[in-house]
Amino acid sequence: DSGVTQTPKHLITATGQRVTLRCSPRSGDLSVYWYQQSLDQGLQFLIQYYNGEERAKGNILERFSAQQFPDLHSELNLSSLELGDSALYFCASSVGTSGGFNEQFFGPGTRLTVL
Amino acid sequence: GENVEQHPSTLSVQEGDSAVIKCTYSDSASNYFPWYKQELGKRPQLIIDIRSNVGEKKDQRIAVTLNKTAKHFSLHITETQPEDSAVYFCAASRGHKLSFGAGTTVTVRA
Repeated sequence: DSGVTQTPKHLITATGQRVTLRCSPRSGDLSVYWYQQSLDQGLQFLIQYYNGEERAKGNILERFSAQQFPDLHSELNLSSLELGDSALYFCASSVGTSGGFNEQFFGPGTRLTVL
Repeated sequence: GENVEQHPSTLSVQEGDSAVIKCTYSDSASNYFPWYKQELGKRPQLIIDIRSNVGEKKDQRIAVTLNKTAKHFSLHITETQPEDSAVYFCAASRGHKLSFGAGTTVTVRA
């Protein structure tokens, strides 16, 4: 167990809908990262938050947004869902110091199925 | 941005043999190189990492080597066992963003 929690574990919804995925980082970690992993694909970095502020952005669609709250948990909002959004969504956390080393610990993931 | 290439995409080895996965990166400023193992339907788990001031690191049957001049790093698994079967991802980082390779599916044949 990495100490990173994600809810829900599974989510089934229809095209056009909106969903929210939730992540709680390890105790003491200030950085949260979101990744998308489609079937047979690698890990695509979406976005990173550090202590409530957006720090880095990857290949995140405009239909997707995220935020990190004062208690450091994070939510990823996916709207106007399309079939191609079906994937495993992982959250990871790290201490997030400025030292440059970036050991990330992954949560169990949320499997999103768009029908 | 950083571009990480990983080879091979699939690797089948006989139990007890060694497995080697190679990655190259593009950003010479990258200074942290982790390797993750992901079993089917599960989360990626960090198995070993190396910093740019080190050329080699070993942890039991797993070792990683880094050649900063050539901008490549490799994962070596010795005496492979069936439980080593998984997808392995390399990654490179400069600062806070990790860029992942496409992954290598390793199958250990009994």
